[in-house]
Amino acid sequence: NAGVTQTPKFQVLKTGQSMTLQCAQDMNHEYMSWYRQDPGMGLRLIHYSVGAGITDQGEVPNGYNVSRSTTEDFPLRLLSAAPSQTSVYFCASSYKSRGWGYTFGSGTRLTVV
Amino acid sequence: DAKTTQPPSMDCAEGRAANLPCNHSTISGNEYVYWYRQIHSQGPQYIIHGLKNNETNEMASLIITEDRKSSTLILPHATLRDTAVYYCIVRDDGSGNTGKLIFGQGTTLQVKP
Repeated sequence: NAGVTQTPKFQVLKTGQSMTLQCAQDMNHEYMSWYRQDPGMGLRLIHYSVGAGITDQGEVPNGYNVSRSTTEDFPLRLLSAAPSQTSVYFCASSYKSRGWGYTFGSGTRLTVV
Repeated sequence: DAKTTQPPSMDCAEGRAANLPCNHSTISGNEYVYWYRQIHSQGPQYIIHGLKNNETNEMASLIITEDRKSSTLILPHATLRDTAVYYCIVRDDGSGNTGKLIFGQGTTLQVKP
């Protein structure tokens, strides 16, 4: 099925652990983004990519790393998890220059204890 | 990209039209107005977008003022399933396109029976 696939759907980490949230899309979209959403808040942009090999920081990049080695995949790495990173993480993709075409994944619910 | 201002919450009776306002007084000529919505914990969903003219699709209508400093999203016959957070986003899809889609706080629309 075409779309954005995020794994895992749920994750509990201990403070200081590292992990990678996976995001994959099969629509050949150039743009991919990672957002976090805290309870009662809007989505905040963490990192984004305009194509393979190109990434840039969003509004809240600290504590996260990304890479884009292929068009399809855009993993988000938490280097040393902190309770403040407890959130719901959404990945999105779109064609270049199409703000109307963003497709979002179903989210990863992360709890850091 | 220009900032937007939306009321934090609104109520609407089921079957009535829901009119959601958005202020974007610093919008520039290349910037489009986009509306997305997020239904309880799901990823955001695209609704409609426009540049200057009013737009209508199967989900909603978008009315943009002549000076483009504000807009209104209209759900003509709101149902309980339209209860969601609605985000108004202004984005440059032209030469100034950075690839980012920035969400604000949005308006929580509660449709009541």
